[in-house]
Amino acid sequence: DSGVTQTPKHLITATGQRVTLRCSPRSGDLSVYWYQQSLDQGLQFLIQYYNGEERAKGNILERFSAQQFPDLHSELNLSSLELGDSALYFCASSVEGLAGEQQYFGPGTRLTVT
Amino acid sequence: GENVEQHPSTLSVQEGDSAVIKCTYSDSASNYFPWYKQELGKGPQLIIDIRSNVGEKKDQRIAVTLNKTAKHFSLHITETQPEDSAVYFCAASINSGGGADGLTFGKGTHLIIQP
Repeated sequence: DSGVTQTPKHLITATGQRVTLRCSPRSGDLSVYWYQQSLDQGLQFLIQYYNGEERAKGNILERFSAQQFPDLHSELNLSSLELGDSALYFCASSVEGLAGEQQYFGPGTRLTVT
Repeated sequence: GENVEQHPSTLSVQEGDSAVIKCTYSDSASNYFPWYKQELGKGPQLIIDIRSNVGEKKDQRIAVTLNKTAKHFSLHITETQPEDSAVYFCAASINSGGGADGLTFGKGTHLIIQP
């Protein structure tokens, strides 16, 4: 158990809908990362937050957004969902979000868009 | 941006033998190289990492080597056991100046330990 928690574990929704995925980092970690894992794209970095502020952006679609709250939990919002958004979404955390820091992953949320 | 290539995609070894997984990266600015193990239905688990100022690191049966000149790094697992069966991912990260970018992952290696 990495100490990173994610809810829900599974989510099934229809095209065009909006969903929110939630992540709580390890105790003491200030930085949160979001990743998407799909069969065709593999594991891809989406976005990073540090202490409530966006720090780095990866291959995140405009339909997706995230935020980190004062209690350091983070939410990833996915809107206007398409079939291709079906994937595993992982959250990871690290202490200060600096280069070379170890990132610890949560168990993931499996999103199925029908 | 960074590109990480990983080989092989599938590796089958006899229990007790060694397994080697290789990765190459494209951006010489990459300076941190972790390896993750992912079991079915679980999130990636960090098993070992190496930084660009180190050539080799070992932790019990697992070792990682880094060749900065050739931009290669490899994972070595000795005395493989059935519980080593999983998908292994290599990754690289660059310090872009304000903090870390996310990790760039290889496509993964499915390691199968034959009894």
